This record gives sequence, structure tokens and C-alpha cells, in this order.
Amino acid sequence: AQSVTQPDIHITVSEGASLELRCNYSYGATPYLFWYVQSPGQGLQLLLKYFSGDTLVQGIKGFEAEFKRSQSSFNLRKPSVHWSDAAEYFCDVGARAAGNKLTFGGGTRVLVKP
Amino acid sequence: DAGVIQSPRHEVTEMGQEVTLRCKPISGHDYLFWYRQTMMRGLELLIYFNNNVPIDDSGMPEDRFSAKMPNASFSTLKIQPSEPRDSAVYFCASSSARGLQYEQYFGPGTRLTVT
Repeated sequence: AQSVTQPDIHITVSEGASLELRCNYSYGATPYLFWYVQSPGQGLQLLLKYFSGDTLVQGIKGFEAEFKRSQSSFNLRKPSVHWSDAAEYFCDVGARAAGNKLTFGGGTRVLVKP
Repeated sequence: DAGVIQSPRHEVTEMGQEVTLRCKPISGHDYLFWYRQTMMRGLELLIYFNNNVPIDDSGMPEDRFSAKMPNASFSTLKIQPSEPRDSAVYFCASSSARGLQYEQYFGPGTRLTVT
């Protein structure tokens, strides 16, 4: 069975600074990887996804993530954070063998200081 | 497409009452998921359907919870009787297996408060 770990529960970053959120997964084969964002009081919105091919994927809102098979990681990055990026971020993993079921990490809450 | 639609957006009910949450998935999607989100337990998958058939209900907390999908465009999650510990945000999501599109699209959620 697949699993996802997001080691950081909270991260505080200054507006304009760079942001990196860590995600580690456990799965025997090549996983399908996703990052979702949840703004306060909202549902989850897909930021980006990795299925295969180029290991650096671009998403919406200026985010990118890099798949590193050797480290079982799929870290999310943004070069310059905006106040509107304050939200909770979820990494999750899926697999064809699991149908369309996704396994979500515990989430990382990002606070943005002015 | 309007996205995943959930109703009601907010529900306040008294302990012991029956609660029904509704979901309309994105047209053409053949998977539907029900999640529960709380501060203590995070995001939990309760049950999911494929082509209207329940595939995995191992996340349903107890017999008070039931879910149905009578057709491809409608699903319900029912709690009977409701308890204060059921207070949470309930999300519905849908996805499609066609073209290997595994990403799920979430509705805005139903915030349930049981007093």
C-alpha cells in the first residue's frame, strides 16, 4: 500500500521569500503524485501532478515540483511567495493498481508574514 | 462544467437527527469519493464508487453512516442518528479513469455541526 509523509506541519515564510514544502512517499512502483492546495473555508484545488516523463513539473499559481525517485520525494517549490499563498497544502499519491484512489499526506499549513 | 456540486454548504442539526449530504459529480466522471476533514484526524477517505458501485467503504466510521449512488450524477451520504463527534467538513470529489486522469476534483464541502 502507498503512503505519504509531509514532515512539516506548519511553515511560516515572509512575503517575497521562497517556499519549499517537503513530501515523501512510499510505493513499490512508479506512483502518480499530486499537490493540492486548500484555502481557508474552501475545497481542495489541484496545483500540479506528475505521471511520467519530465521530473520537474509546473503547476498553477507559479508552483513547481520535482520528482526524485532516488529519494522518494516530490517537493513543492515557489520562488516568491504572495500573501494569497497562505493555505494548507496536501501531497498525495495514487497508483493504477489502486484505481483512482489517492492517499493524502497530513498537510502543511503555510503562514505568510507581511 | 460547473465542477463538483455539494449541498447543503452548511448544516446544523441536533444529536439524534438524520443528516443527508448530497453530491453531483462532474459529468462524465466515473469515480466518486466521500471524504471527511477534521482538525484532529485530517482528511479521511470514507467511501468511493466506480460506475455507481461502492468499491471501498472501509473508511466509513460505523453503521450510522451510509452512502448511495443511484445514478452517475448523484450521490448521498447519510448519517443516522447523528452525534456531536460527526461534526466535520464533508467533501465529495470525482475523477475519471479515461486517459489516465487520476486527479480528483473536489467540491466546496458541507460543514456539518451536530449539537
